[in-house]
Amino acid sequence: GAGVSQSPSNKVTEKGKDVELRCDPISGHTALYWYRQSLGQGLEFLIYFQGNSAPDKSGLPSDRFSAERTGGSVSTLTIQRTQQEDSAVYLCASSFVAGNTEAFFGQGTRLTVV
Amino acid sequence: RKEVEQDPGPFNVPEGATVAFNCTYSNSASQSFFWYRQDCRKEPKLLMSVYSSGNEDGRFTAQLNRASQYISLLIRDSKLSDSATYLCVVNGDNYGQNFVFGPGTRLSVLP
Repeated sequence: GAGVSQSPSNKVTEKGKDVELRCDPISGHTALYWYRQSLGQGLEFLIYFQGNSAPDKSGLPSDRFSAERTGGSVSTLTIQRTQQEDSAVYLCASSFVAGNTEAFFGQGTRLTVV
Repeated sequence: RKEVEQDPGPFNVPEGATVAFNCTYSNSASQSFFWYRQDCRKEPKLLMSVYSSGNEDGRFTAQLNRASQYISLLIRDSKLSDSATYLCVVNGDNYGQNFVFGPGTRLSVLP
């Protein structure tokens, strides 16, 4: 597709379950970013990948959060043992060159932990 | 001090008004600057990049002052459709590869 694609668009899960969120970036973009946004709040950085370099995980809030990017393209964000405070919109973005060219966002995954 | 700070808002202005948003950033090594807009319950979308010489796109004008580490966005002749949250974005971290988003300033253009 032409834009960043995220799936699922909505996810409701029970507290304690694991969830996987998927992001398919724009073809040719070397950088991929994950953010989350709680209702009425700003964007919180989670992790970014740039090419084959080690990802910057400095924004991950706890060891329950992990992400991988396979083949330099699709990325999966995994949240283990979900908690109610994990409820948020998880946004993925990609850019052609990390930090230097504009980032384009997917429509996000709205995660609700009940 | 937060890495990127913006006017707290919200701004409520009548149609046709001119409105200015301010943003300051703390990382003097930042090289790339952007304004995004985010509509309610939507993803952020690029409004415009900000260049050192300043740039204009229709009713929108962006300015950058590196010495003061300050970015501005001016919207002239505001439309109802301009109602959104405006996000100031700066590249940060030691390698300049990450994007740091400001908290945003909400604009409501009233009829």
